[in-house]
Amino acid sequence: AQKITQTQPGMFVQEKEAVTLDCTYDTSDQSYGLFWYKQPSSGEMIFLIYQGSYDEQNATEGRYSLNFQKARKSANLVISASQLGDSAMYFCAMGVNFGNEKLTFGTGTRLTIIP
Amino acid sequence: EPEVTQTPSHQVTQMGQEVILRCVPISNHLYFYWYRQILGQKVEFLVSFYNNEISEKSEIFDDQFSVERPDGSNFTLKIRSTKLEDSAMYFCASRPRDRVNNEQFFGPGTRLTVL
Repeated sequence: AQKITQTQPGMFVQEKEAVTLDCTYDTSDQSYGLFWYKQPSSGEMIFLIYQGSYDEQNATEGRYSLNFQKARKSANLVISASQLGDSAMYFCAMGVNFGNEKLTFGTGTRLTIIP
Repeated sequence: EPEVTQTPSHQVTQMGQEVILRCVPISNHLYFYWYRQILGQKVEFLVSFYNNEISEKSEIFDDQFSVERPDGSNFTLKIRSTKLEDSAMYFCASRPRDRVNNEQFFGPGTRLTVL
């Protein structure tokens, strides 16, 4: 079974600063993927970034990067130059590769950007 | 860009009534999922569906729940006799077969309120 832990229920960050959202995971599988989703107050789930367990380089997508430390089983999301529109809930999730495995989500971090 | 759609966006029903939540996955996708999110909580897996049958279901997905792909485009979740605790946001997601990772594309969700 997979488990995702997000230990920061809420964070406040000044606009234009960088922010790191923590995520640790637990699995016995060797091939898996880690995902970050953003959920604004409107409720939809917006895919941000993906990291495969065999990817040697950290994933980046625009202002988002994933700090993947496999030995520590952590997959932290880094948002550079935060913007007011980044205020939302952020969920870390994992899924086992191959087949049709479900995604297992963490409890989320509510990020608030302060102007 | 193709997207997953869900109808209705909000459904209000009386306890004990049957509800059907509808989803149209992305057309060339082969794996389909339902998740739910109780207000303020994390996203939880309900069921996955592939090749016209359920491939995995969670403990939440009891005999009151069923899924169907009636016509090759729609994917429905039926709750036979709704309970107060079924009130939640229900997300449909889909995934193609030919991706290395198992990134799932989420619909905007249906907010179900049981009175």
